Amino acid sequence: AQSVTQPDIHITVSEGASLELRCNYSYGATPYLFWYVQSPGQGLQLLLKYFSGDTLVQGIKGFEAEFKRSQSSFNLRKPSVHWSDAAEYFCAVGARAAGNKLTFGGGTRVLVKP
Amino acid sequence: NAGVTQTPKFRVLKTGQSMTLLCAQDMNHEYMYWYRQDPGMGLRLIHYSVGEGTTAKGEVPDGYNVSRLKKQNFLLGLESAAPSQTSVYFCASRGGTPYYGYTFGSGTRLTVV
Repeated sequence: AQSVTQPDIHITVSEGASLELRCNYSYGATPYLFWYVQSPGQGLQLLLKYFSGDTLVQGIKGFEAEFKRSQSSFNLRKPSVHWSDAAEYFCAVGARAAGNKLTFGGGTRVLVKP
Repeated sequence: NAGVTQTPKFRVLKTGQSMTLLCAQDMNHEYMYWYRQDPGMGLRLIHYSVGEGTTAKGEVPDGYNVSRLKKQNFLLGLESAAPSQTSVYFCASRGGTPYYGYTFGSGTRLTVV
């Protein structure tokens, strides 16, 4: 069975500083990997995804993530955080099988200090 | 361009009452999913459907039933609500390829007292 771990429950970062959110997954083969962002009271918005090929993927809002097979990781990064990036971020792994069910990590809440 | 619409947005139930949450998508998506979101636990899959007339159990199906009589609608039912079902419920859908990820609704906040 697939699983996702986001080790950091909360992260506080200063506006303009860099941000890295960690994601580790467990899956028997090459997975689909996603990062979603959830603003307060909202649904989830897709930031970026990895399916195959280039292991560094670019997403919306200036985010990028790197797939490292050897470390079973898919960490999310942003070079310079804006106050509007305050939100909860979810990493998800999808199985390459019927139904393609996504399994989500517990989420990391990002607070941005002015 | 509505995407995925969930109704209602908020609901308070008494223990033992029943209710149905409606999810409607206008993207002609085959796959639909119901998740619940609880603090620190991320989203957990309740039930899903791979097409009209089909349903399957997810990770936490107990206490819930679903139906997909029409392709665009996916209903989640609680026959006898319990306080443990207090949660935020999200519906999601996707097309034939997983490449584009899921499209999520804005959620239903359910409180069972």
